[in-house]
Amino acid sequence: QSALTQPPSASGSPGQSVTISCTGTSSDVGGYNYVSWYQQHPGKAPKLMIYEVNKRPSGVPDRFSGSKSGNTASLTVSGLQADDEADYYCNSYAGSNNLVFGGGTKLTVL
Amino acid sequence: EVQLLESGGGLVQPGGSLRLSCAASGFTFSNFAMSWVRQAPGRGLEWISSIGESGRTTKYTDSVKGRFTISRDNSKDTLYLQMNSLRADDTAVYHCALGGIFGHYDYWGQGALVTVSS
Repeated sequence: QSALTQPPSASGSPGQSVTISCTGTSSDVGGYNYVSWYQQHPGKAPKLMIYEVNKRPSGVPDRFSGSKSGNTASLTVSGLQADDEADYYCNSYAGSNNLVFGGGTKLTVL
Repeated sequence: EVQLLESGGGLVQPGGSLRLSCAASGFTFSNFAMSWVRQAPGRGLEWISSIGESGRTTKYTDSVKGRFTISRDNSKDTLYLQMNSLRADDTAVYHCALGGIFGHYDYWGQGALVTVSS
């Protein structure tokens, strides 16, 4: 049950785009279209941003998008805004009744 | 409005037990799988356990199997996590979340802090 691999940090200037990767294996990310992404501000509960690789819950801006290629999923945030500064986590169903999270990426808006 | 409110956290000695509760409102509780996810201080999220709508199906991460038990009372709209044989590395904020094993959690509680220390 190894955690998914995310870069510890990412950054971008307001208005720019940034992409955060989430790398797993063929047993999790590569094997299922059950990848979700969460945004977490300090001291707050996580908020669902993307589910099933590329679906956005209602209320999430279309500046947030998800994709997957092979064993790597990605979250792209376009038109960066100050409030996008937060920690971002991916997760993936890993079969055998198991769910794994990534270690998290701290996004800084410069 | 969907609300999930955890309670029952606190300080417990190693080897001790604690039961967390999660009171749900704003949706038909019995129609949804539920899960527990924890976050150790300064660390990332970790899925702990999920339970099906009826409570008959339960799943656990390896590190808590045999020590933690997830359950629910659909008549009380409440989710539980019984934690036994607690260890220092169980110290974390425990969140209940609306959703099951596939990791799609639309709603989260604010969490209950569990500290395991002597």
